[in-house]
Amino acid sequence: EAGVAQSPRYKIIEKRQSVAFWCNPISGHATLYWYQQILGQGPKLLIQFQNNGVVDDSQLPKDRFSAERLKGVDSTLKIQPAKLEDSAVYLCASSLLAAYSNQPQHFGDGTRLSIL
Amino acid sequence: QKEVEQDPGPLSVPEGAIVSLNCTYSNSAFQYFMWYRQYSRKGPELLMYTYSSGNKEDGRFTAQVDKSSKYISLFIRDSQPSDSATYLCAMKEGDGGATNKLIFGTGTLLAVQP
Repeated sequence: EAGVAQSPRYKIIEKRQSVAFWCNPISGHATLYWYQQILGQGPKLLIQFQNNGVVDDSQLPKDRFSAERLKGVDSTLKIQPAKLEDSAVYLCASSLLAAYSNQPQHFGDGTRLSIL
Repeated sequence: QKEVEQDPGPLSVPEGAIVSLNCTYSNSAFQYFMWYRQYSRKGPELLMYTYSSGNKEDGRFTAQVDKSSKYISLFIRDSQPSDSATYLCAMKEGDGGATNKLIFGTGTLLAVQP
């Protein structure tokens, strides 16, 4: 079974620039998550999609972050404009169905973002 | 107070030692408890998944949950250098909603010396 795919693996930009990350979940997984992991911390949920609808975006800084999951498969996360504190690893995860709480989340290897 | 507290380490042990990793939490609604292993520059990998209180064993790994004390543990027996990684505890509330929101600890960095 292929895992969660993310690209790019690394990105370096200057503050105030924009950046986008891409995620392809495990085939058949209806639920997709974006997490932010700052160095030395655990992942923090930014947004959760069920198919192509948003379930939870309560911790997404909506003035600068946006995410979409058109067609209920791939997803993109965008930051515009980037701030220094956005330097982090952005992890994508997927699970079969969130409503069944025994479904584990499977993570990709993330995109490491550095803001100069 | 953070919802989930985890000693960040680092923890250094000799090969073959028994390792004990721990987390405490404050939200009594948490019912599902997980341990993830994260190698450097990799995503978290699910190691153990338990529901409510009790023990679960999988090979060299044992997960314990004590809901009365709001305390979870992961034990690694006969530790190997390949176990060197960051170990993240994670937990979530029970059924009843569409969200599957995980709350993570900060992670404990483990180094197993050959």
